[in-house]
Amino acid sequence: DTGVSQDPRHKITKRGQNVTFRCDPISEHNRLYWYRQTLGQGPEFLTYFQNEAQLEKSRLLSDRFSAERPKGSFSTLEIQRTEQGDSAMYLCASSLARSGSVIYNEQFFGPGTRLTVL
Amino acid sequence: AQSVAQPEDQVNVAEGNPLTVKCTYSVSGNPYLFWYVQYPNRGLQFLLKYITGDNLVKGSYGFEAEFNKSQTSFHLKKPSALVSDSALYFCAVRLGDSSASKIIFGSGTRLSIRP
Repeated sequence: DTGVSQDPRHKITKRGQNVTFRCDPISEHNRLYWYRQTLGQGPEFLTYFQNEAQLEKSRLLSDRFSAERPKGSFSTLEIQRTEQGDSAMYLCASSLARSGSVIYNEQFFGPGTRLTVL
Repeated sequence: AQSVAQPEDQVNVAEGNPLTVKCTYSVSGNPYLFWYVQYPNRGLQFLLKYITGDNLVKGSYGFEAEFNKSQTSFHLKKPSALVSDSALYFCAVRLGDSSASKIIFGSGTRLSIRP
């Protein structure tokens, strides 16, 4: 399977614990995005990377959230001291941005990680 | 304010009938518009996009969408609905006018096709 993969698919944790999610994008894609989706809502942008550089972070991304993409390939999203309000589906997406091009290519999404904070 | 709206939470259509899922947008610059579909317990799947050119865009699974600049709309359509089209559909729009701009999603429309 050459699509975007995410691990784990489901995570149940107790309030106050730290969790980390992993995303592996499509191999040639240089952009990687994280979104959060709650029930009945569309995905909300959290942050994105171009290669290893984190170029934008949403105000939704509190200081308890941190994302990395150290080698410009896979990415991790860590939530520290989880709260019940963090319960959501966390989606990762990737796309290809060609240098010097203004074309905006579509994003391809992974299956998501469903987080439940008890 | 830049935004995308899906005015219908749910659309119900009989199998074999045409379907329309509505989307309107408000952005500065040239709109890049997308439709995605989400099946239960799965990620979003790309259906189609409008960048420029022909206002009628054809996508996956027989879906198409019509870009209407004067009405700032990008409605999703299909001539003949299938039960398997039942899913959650999201319209999305690029903010800004560069390849670095992020996209925002509408709140989604649940499409239900009855046999």
